[in-house]
Formats: sequence, structure tokens, C-alpha cells
Amino acid sequence: EDKVVQSPLSLVVHEGDTVTLNCSYEVTNFRSLLWYKQEKKAPTFLFMLTSSGIEKKSGRLSSILDKKELFSILNITATQTGDSAVYLCAVGLYAGGTSYGKLTFGQGTILTVHP
Amino acid sequence: EAGVAQSPRYKIIEKRQSVAFWCNPISGHATLYWYQQILGQGPKLLIQFQNNGVVDDSQLPKDRFSAERLKGVDSTLKIQPAKLEDSAVYLCASRISGGWNTGELFFGEGSRLTVL
Repeated sequence: EDKVVQSPLSLVVHEGDTVTLNCSYEVTNFRSLLWYKQEKKAPTFLFMLTSSGIEKKSGRLSSILDKKELFSILNITATQTGDSAVYLCAVGLYAGGTSYGKLTFGQGTILTVHP
Repeated sequence: EAGVAQSPRYKIIEKRQSVAFWCNPISGHATLYWYQQILGQGPKLLIQFQNNGVVDDSQLPKDRFSAERLKGVDSTLKIQPAKLEDSAVYLCASRISGGWNTGELFFGEGSRLTVL
């Protein structure tokens, strides 16, 4: 059974702190790993990672994938209250002979940033 | 560009009643997904369509859930009869067809179901 596990499940920090969110996976037919941010509505896309060791950055957020050790981290530097959200990790799976694929999600990390 | 549209946003029903959710994906997106997200958990895939064909419905409780995408555009997810454990947000997502190089999913706002 495909598994995506995120840690920690919740995290409380103060503005200005740096946080690291973890995502490990155990799946067959790995294609990609995606990070989403979910506030009180639909998840919004942050990053898609397909290659090991190549960091993706967007402002204060960055992410990297290790396909040998089967994990990814999402870093947020200089956190702000607006970063408070659930961060979801999802693994894109290649679905047997087609490129349709499917996305399997972890349970999410709840990040709370206090002023 | 219009996003993924879902309705209704909220629905409260009693157990054993039926409910239907509607989704209109982004124009041109051939792949459509329905996810169930129970409070405190990550989204769980219920069913995936490619155009109007089902690609994966392995986690759909077929005794009570059904979904269709008749013309390869809009989709409807139905629950009949509903159980208490069906209380969740039902997320519809779509993406452009093709490989995962264009893999990001675009999600709708979700339909929150409460079963009493």
C-alpha cells in the first residue's frame, strides 16, 4: 500500500522563526512529489519536485527531494502569521502504462505562526 | 482563467439521506479527480476520470458512492444513503492531460458535508 507520512503533525512557532517540514514516502511507481498549502479552503500549489538534490525556491519557501532516502523537506524562513496553514505533501504516481497518474496525500502538517 | 467550480459549498443532511455534489473543471482539463478530506486528515482520492472514462475508483465505496462525467466536462458525485462517517469536505480537482511534468492539480473550494 502506498504511504505518504508527514512530520511533525503540528508545529507552533513565532514570527521570524525558520521551520522545516518533513515528508517521507513509500510508494510504487514514483513520478513526482508536490507540496500544497491549505488555508481554510482549497489546497494551493507550492512546488513540484521530480529530481533529487535540486532545490526549488519561491520567496521564503524552498523544498528539496531525496529519492534515495525517499523524503522531501519544505523550509520556510522568516515565518509570518500569513504562513499559518496546513501544508500537504503529495506523491504523484505513474499509473500502469498511462501518464494519467494519481496523487496520494500525506496527512498534513498544521503550522501556526504567532506574532 | 476561471478556476474549478464546485457546488454546493455546504450541505447538512441526516443519515440515510442522499446528496449530490457538482464540479466544473478548468476549461481544457481532461483529468478530473474527486477527493474526500476528513477533518484533520489529508485528501483521499475517491475517483479519477480521464475525459469521461474512469481511470481509478479503487477507493470509492461503491455501495453508496457514485460519480459520473458524462460529456467529459462537468462531474457529479452522489452519496446514497449517507452515513455519519461521510462528513467531510469533498474536493474536486482537475489538471491538464499528459505527463506529470505538468502535474499540478487545481482544486475547487470544496463542498463541506455534515451528516447528522
